[in-house]
Amino acid sequence: QQQVKQSPQSLIVQKGGISIINCAYENTAFDYFPWYQQFPGKGPALLIAIRPDVSEKKEGRFTISFNKSAKQFSLHIMDSQPGDSATYFCAASMREGNKLVFGAGTILRVKS
Amino acid sequence: GAVVSQHPSRVICKSGTSVKIECRSLDFQATTMFWYRQFPKKSLMLMATSNEGSKATYEQGVEKDKFLINHASLTLSTLTVTSAHPEDSSFYICSARQMRRSAYEQYFGPGTRLTVT
Repeated sequence: QQQVKQSPQSLIVQKGGISIINCAYENTAFDYFPWYQQFPGKGPALLIAIRPDVSEKKEGRFTISFNKSAKQFSLHIMDSQPGDSATYFCAASMREGNKLVFGAGTILRVKS
Repeated sequence: GAVVSQHPSRVICKSGTSVKIECRSLDFQATTMFWYRQFPKKSLMLMATSNEGSKATYEQGVEKDKFLINHASLTLSTLTVTSAHPEDSSFYICSARQMRRSAYEQYFGPGTRLTVT
């Protein structure tokens, strides 16, 4: 129940294309869903986060879509660039404790 | 804002020795910090939650006597790996919790690569 399942494991996208990464969760007590970007040898950086009271949130080229009934959320990277090549993690937490449960990660490679 | 630093960035130590890793929130106060471990090409595994002025809360399966956590101030938490062994070699990452827009968000440090020989 504490798991967050992330797919795909890896993704190759052409420059200018849309990268889509999906996550699913079971625990309905989760109410905070962030996405992190991690480059090799670095710590994760918070990209964008959403709460269940909205179905979509957009910040620049990054959009989170959230489907509460399906218990799924996804990250869309528009106009993907080679600099976006990194590992992306979805996560979920319950507000009170704020412990994050991470997905397994998606290695994104954007080809120029 | 929301910058978290870690020191050292890399450390090599001999088996049986202890190593201390520092995690600092540079531009905000953090009553709660978290320590994670990450193996190559794997996800982050939460080890413990560090609360300022109180004992850390360890996740199931994490040896509290081996991974000592001290959160002595609102900007500093330390993780000490005691009697390190090669299997403790890993990437250790801390994060600090900050209240933003009426909710807490977690910001991560750059990580510490520990190699035990």
